[in-house]
Amino acid sequence: NAGVTQTPKFRILKIGQSMTLQCAQDMNHNYMYWYRQDPGMGLKLIYYSVGAGITDKGEVPNGYNVSRSTTEDFPLRLELAAPSQTSVYFCATLQFSSGNTIYFGEGSWLTVV
Amino acid sequence: AQRVTQPEKLLSVFKGAPVELKCNYSYSGSPELFWYVQYSRQRLQLLLRHISRESIKGFTADLNKGETSFHLKKPFAQEEDSAMYYCALSRDGNNRLAFGKGNQVVVIP
Repeated sequence: NAGVTQTPKFRILKIGQSMTLQCAQDMNHNYMYWYRQDPGMGLKLIYYSVGAGITDKGEVPNGYNVSRSTTEDFPLRLELAAPSQTSVYFCATLQFSSGNTIYFGEGSWLTVV
Repeated sequence: AQRVTQPEKLLSVFKGAPVELKCNYSYSGSPELFWYVQYSRQRLQLLLRHISRESIKGFTADLNKGETSFHLKKPFAQEEDSAMYYCALSRDGNNRLAFGKGNQVVVIP
């Protein structure tokens, strides 16, 4: 049982490049989230999903896209990378039956130069 | 909009001394409040939540609705308590958490 797995852990992108941060979970949790954490700041919600086929915007969705074709996977897409997207990205999951505990991935460090 | 404030970025305490991390929130409804912890090189994990009224690793936190606070306390800090601590608020049925900026706690041996 791996929990929440994020790939890659580290990535350097050039301005204007695109990439996808992968998030996979094996706990059959219905809710999934993407947060970003800028230096010295708290986590901010980018997008979330309440189940397969359903996604919605969080606080800071601009510059990102997500999809949720399966329960297990919730990829985050950056289409035109900008320096402002340099951050640590965390994927998280939740299942109501677990007492509303949110489980986090280890994070993905992204630098845009 | 809801907001979570953790006023102190860095807190250094000696081993055995009490530690208190302050968290204040602004939200007009009935919030659910949490403390998350991130130890070095580990993922963010739940420490405790206000509805459970539990003590985890010697830490407790009481929700004070009058003062809109959810301060985290431990009477005797241990070296293994060195970590980043985040206060978080959940405001709706989708469990979207709003996080504070976090507190870096360093316990000095």
